[in-house]
Amino acid sequence: AQSVSQHNHHVILSEAASLELGCNYSYGGTVNLFWYVQYPGQHLQLLLKYFSGDPLVKGIKGFEAEFIKSKFSFNLRKPSVQWSDTAEYFCAAYYNNDMRFGAGTRLTVKP
Amino acid sequence: NAGVTQTPKFQVLKTGQSMTLQCAQDMNHEYMSWYRQDPGMGLRLIHYSVGAGITDQGEVPNGYNVSRSTTEDFPLRLLSAAPSQTSVYFCASSLLAGVNEQYFGPGTRLTVT
Repeated sequence: AQSVSQHNHHVILSEAASLELGCNYSYGGTVNLFWYVQYPGQHLQLLLKYFSGDPLVKGIKGFEAEFIKSKFSFNLRKPSVQWSDTAEYFCAAYYNNDMRFGAGTRLTVKP
Repeated sequence: NAGVTQTPKFQVLKTGQSMTLQCAQDMNHEYMSWYRQDPGMGLRLIHYSVGAGITDQGEVPNGYNVSRSTTEDFPLRLLSAAPSQTSVYFCASSLLAGVNEQYFGPGTRLTVT
């Protein structure tokens, strides 16, 4: 069955540190990939998405992600995190009407 | 636009009771879906619909029914509630499946005792 794996359950960083959250998917075909963020007490919001083309995609709030087809990966990065980035981050993959989310990574940024 | 609305926000049920979680969107989106969110498991797709009159099962459909009689509404029915259905339920919609951003509702926190 298709699946999405997020390697880190909880990440704790200090402000200005760099961030990389791992995401791997197991679909065999062409997939659409997403990163969503859920701030405390809020709805899920889209950070960025990848369908095709340049494998390095830029999203909102300074986030970017790189699609590496050979590794089935779509890691999320940010060069310098802020306290306001404290949230839960979800990777998702869409294939043939089936949308699968990873288990999520909780990011805590210490001021 | 109100976006995606869900009611109720909180609900407590006894085992065996049935209920319907309501979801509506006013963005004329074709694709609507229901997820449950459990700690450590992310969001899991329960049912989805690619348009009025069309529904299909997701990853965890057992114990749930859906219907899509209009573009706007996509209710989720729990037929006979079980403690394993204690969860937070999110409804989402997008213009087209898997292409456009999904807009999520505020969620319904359901407890089954």
